[in-house]
Amino acid sequence: DAGVIQSPRHEVTEMGQEVTLRCKPISGHNSLFWYRQTMMRGLELLIYFNNNVPIDDSGMPEDRFSAKMPNASFSTLKIQPSEPRDSAVYFCASGGREVAYEQYFGPGTRLTVT
Amino acid sequence: AQSVTQPDIHITVSEGASLELRCNYSYGATPYLFWYVQSPGQGLQLLLKYFSGDTLVQGIKGFEAEFKRSQSSFNLRKPSVHWSDAAEYFCAVASYNNNDMRFGAGTRLTVKP
Repeated sequence: DAGVIQSPRHEVTEMGQEVTLRCKPISGHNSLFWYRQTMMRGLELLIYFNNNVPIDDSGMPEDRFSAKMPNASFSTLKIQPSEPRDSAVYFCASGGREVAYEQYFGPGTRLTVT
Repeated sequence: AQSVTQPDIHITVSEGASLELRCNYSYGATPYLFWYVQSPGQGLQLLLKYFSGDTLVQGIKGFEAEFKRSQSSFNLRKPSVHWSDAAEYFCAVASYNNNDMRFGAGTRLTVKP
C-alpha cells in the first residue's frame, strides 16, 4: 500500500496567490482529515470528511480556506488568497472503514507564503 | 469536548535508559487513546492505540502504554531507548461518536549518546 499521498511536498508562493494542496487517501478508507502544524499552534484539525461528506469544518480558520472531496480517492485544500501567516506544514490523514479510530498520515506539504 | 495534555515539552534521556512520556486526557466517557511519533520532516506514525480491554497495550518499536482511568492518564514507556527514538511524540484522544481526534502539544525526545 502506498499510504497517504500528498502533493506537492513543498510549495512557495507569494502573498495573494491561490494555493491548492492535494491528497490521495489510502484505498478503502472512508474518512479524511486535513491538519495544519505550526510551531506556535501545534497540530490543528482543519476539517474532516466521512464518505466524502464534510462533517466538521469548524477548524477552518477563515473563508479563504476551502476543502473538497469529490470522490473517495481525492481531496483538495485550497487557500485563496494566501497570506504569510498561512505558512505551515499541512497534513492529510485517512482513517479506517468504521469510525476513523486510526488515522494514517501523509508526509505533509510545507507551505511558505512570502 | 475531549482534550489532551502533555506536560513535558522536551525530555532528554541517555541511550539505553528507560523512558516515560506523560499524557493526561479529559473526556467524559471512555476515550480512545493513541500515541503517534513524528520524525523530523515526516508525517505522524501510529505507535499504539487503546480502545478497550487490557489497559497495558503494546505498540511498535518496543513501546508500550498504560491506560489508567483513575488518573486520566495514558503514559508511554520504553525500557531501553535507542538513538533512533529521538523524535516528537504526540498523544491523542478520540471519542466513540465521531471522528474528531484531539492531539496534545507534543513532547520532543532527545537521546544522548
